[in-house]
Amino acid sequence: AQSVTQLGSHVSVSEGALVLLRCNYSSSVPPYLFWYVQYPNQGLQLLLKYTTGATLVKGINGFEAEFKKSETSFHLTKPSAHMSDAAEYFCAVSAAGTASKLTFGTGTRLQVTL
Amino acid sequence: NAGVTQTPKFQVLKTGQSMTLQCAQDMNHNSMYWYRQDPGMGLRLIYYSASEGTTDKGEVPNGYNVSRLNKREFSLRLESAAPSQTSVYFCASSEAHLSGNTIYFGEGSWLTVV
Repeated sequence: AQSVTQLGSHVSVSEGALVLLRCNYSSSVPPYLFWYVQYPNQGLQLLLKYTTGATLVKGINGFEAEFKKSETSFHLTKPSAHMSDAAEYFCAVSAAGTASKLTFGTGTRLQVTL
Repeated sequence: NAGVTQTPKFQVLKTGQSMTLQCAQDMNHNSMYWYRQDPGMGLRLIYYSASEGTTDKGEVPNGYNVSRLNKREFSLRLESAAPSQTSVYFCASSEAHLSGNTIYFGEGSWLTVV
C-alpha cells in the first residue's frame, strides 16, 4: 500500500517569491509520483510526473519537482510565483501496475499575494 | 478540444432520490474513472472501467453503480442518495489502465443531498 502526506494545507507566498510545496510518500515498491493542479471550479490538470529515469522532473508553467528516494520526498518548486499560480495542488503516488492504485494527498492551497 | 465532459455541473437532490451523472471523453481512451472529492480528503476512487465492457470497484463504491455504455461514455448512478454523498464528483480517463499513464479530469459535478 502507498500513502501521501502533503505538509501544509495552505501556503502563502508573495508574487515573485519561491514556491515550495512539500510532499512525502510511503511505498513498499518503487513509486510513480505526480503533481496535479486544480484551479477554482475546474478539474485536476497534470503538472508533472516521475516514473523512471531522471529524478529532477520539469513540468508545465515553470514548475519542477525532484524525486529523493532517501528522503521519500517529491517536493514541488517554482523559482518565482505568479498570481496565476494560485490554486490547489495535489501530490499523488502509485506503484507500477494499474492506475486504480493511484493515491492522492489531501492538497495544498497556494495563495499568491502582491 | 473538449477532453472529458461531465453533466450536470450542479445538482441538488433530496435524500432517497436517484440520479445519474454522465461522462464522455473524446480522446479515444480505453480507461475511465469516477472520483469523489471531499474537503481535507483528496480524491478517492469510486469505480473504474479499465476497458470497454469492464467495471470494477474502487476505494469507496458503496451507494453507487456505474455503466460503461461504450468506449466514450461512463455513467455514475446514485440509486438512493444520502447526505453523505454530498461531494464533488470527477470523471476522468486515461489511454490505458497503467499507473504511469496521465489521467485527464473533467471539470467536476457539484452534488448536494439534503
